[in-house]
Amino acid sequence: DQQVKQNSPSLSVQEGRISILNCDYTNSMFDYFLWYKKYPAEGPTFLISISSIKDKNEDGRFTVFLNKSAKHLSLHIVPSQPGDSAVYFCAASVGRGSNYKLTFGKGTLLTVNP
Amino acid sequence: DAGVTQSPTHLIKTRGQHVTLRCSPISGHKSVSWYQQVLGQGPQFIFQYYEKEERGRGNFPDRFSARQFPNYSSELNVNALLLGDSALYLCASSFALASGEQYFGPGTRLTVT
Repeated sequence: DQQVKQNSPSLSVQEGRISILNCDYTNSMFDYFLWYKKYPAEGPTFLISISSIKDKNEDGRFTVFLNKSAKHLSLHIVPSQPGDSAVYFCAASVGRGSNYKLTFGKGTLLTVNP
Repeated sequence: DAGVTQSPTHLIKTRGQHVTLRCSPISGHKSVSWYQQVLGQGPQFIFQYYEKEERGRGNFPDRFSARQFPNYSSELNVNALLLGDSALYLCASSFALASGEQYFGPGTRLTVT
């Protein structure tokens, strides 16, 4: 049973436009959420995170929004650049204490066209 | 500073064999986690180690085991390999046990034939 779902396998946007990647979760115990970016032949790279006590976190071109009532989060990339083309994984965890683990979605392939 | 390193990069094994994968965390990081990524899926948690002790285990059979050494490096062992064990095995490190951000290595691509 997928506890973290990324329902769009792929997304294509034009350079300079906004990219919006979506993620839904089913486990109401999740209280910490992360986005990772993965290029081929590399491990996932941490991008941005958000705690459940917040509804928005911003870092440069990247903003993550959390809607706890809908169990939904999204990653906004503005403006999108060709170098942003990669697979993006949404991940979640229950607390940050012992037995800490990340539960990942299946990923969304973002392609930014020049 | 060097990131998380893993060895070997690629590995081909036969069903029934045993494999050992190795991971060196970022300098100063004391927690190491292992994940399995099957093609088309997201990484799936296998183990977390902190200060040489197992602190978390995912839903994997006992054929999977791991350990962490005094220098915080780690090994993942898989016995009696099955075709379904073919995957990218990722190691991630973090500074503390309760650290939100984990930093991943490039992974070891295991193919079981």
